[in-house]
Amino acid sequence: DVVMTQSPLSLPVTLGQPASISCRSSQGLVFGDGNTYLNWFQQRPGQSPRRLIYKVSNRDSGVPDRFSGSGSGTDFTLQISRVEAEDVGVYYCMQGSHWPYTFGQGTKLEIK
Amino acid sequence: QVQLQESGPGLVKPSETLSLTCTVSGGSVGSGAYYWSWIRQPPGKGLEWIGYKSYSGSTNNNYNPSLKSRVTISVDTSKNQFSLKLSAVTAADTAIYYCGRDYYGSIDFWGQGTQVTVSS
Repeated sequence: DVVMTQSPLSLPVTLGQPASISCRSSQGLVFGDGNTYLNWFQQRPGQSPRRLIYKVSNRDSGVPDRFSGSGSGTDFTLQISRVEAEDVGVYYCMQGSHWPYTFGQGTKLEIK
Repeated sequence: QVQLQESGPGLVKPSETLSLTCTVSGGSVGSGAYYWSWIRQPPGKGLEWIGYKSYSGSTNNNYNPSLKSRVTISVDTSKNQFSLKLSAVTAADTAIYYCGRDYYGSIDFWGQGTQVTVSS
């Protein structure tokens, strides 16, 4: 299985400050069609996950533009330009290029 | 807007079969463009993809090798539902179970999740 390793696992951030989460895969994530199926999900307390980013850098409809994704190969990053209170929760990266699809361990973002 | 809703028993005895159903609205499970997936989250832990099935073909499914011998996912177009069966459950199968629509290796719509506890 492809192992997805996130860092940090805990991320205390001051409101209005930027935040960054790293995700590293144990194998390259370029699929046979040339796409890289790396996704980011947000899970707010008591809620089901919500997709924020797909194929590395494509933001889902309704996702604030303060969220952005980048990376290639085996190294990927989710950035939040200015953290707001509603961003509290756990963030997961997930690869959909190799079966079984796998998730990172999760990064818990909290407000300082 | 596609919506998914899980249903099924919240308590299952060890060694029995866990059965859950996901009802889809705002979209058709008969659309071959999508895969219909189950994902679970044990208490306090991360997410594990159980498997997926597409209506586009009877063999168009894939199960996580860690669960493959115990999992069956089926699609019922007449009810616009898909289902999960997990046999021979143990306490390790206690989790929140989510259904979702999978498009190109990503879940774009999730159900709200249903808690299943395995206990005698």
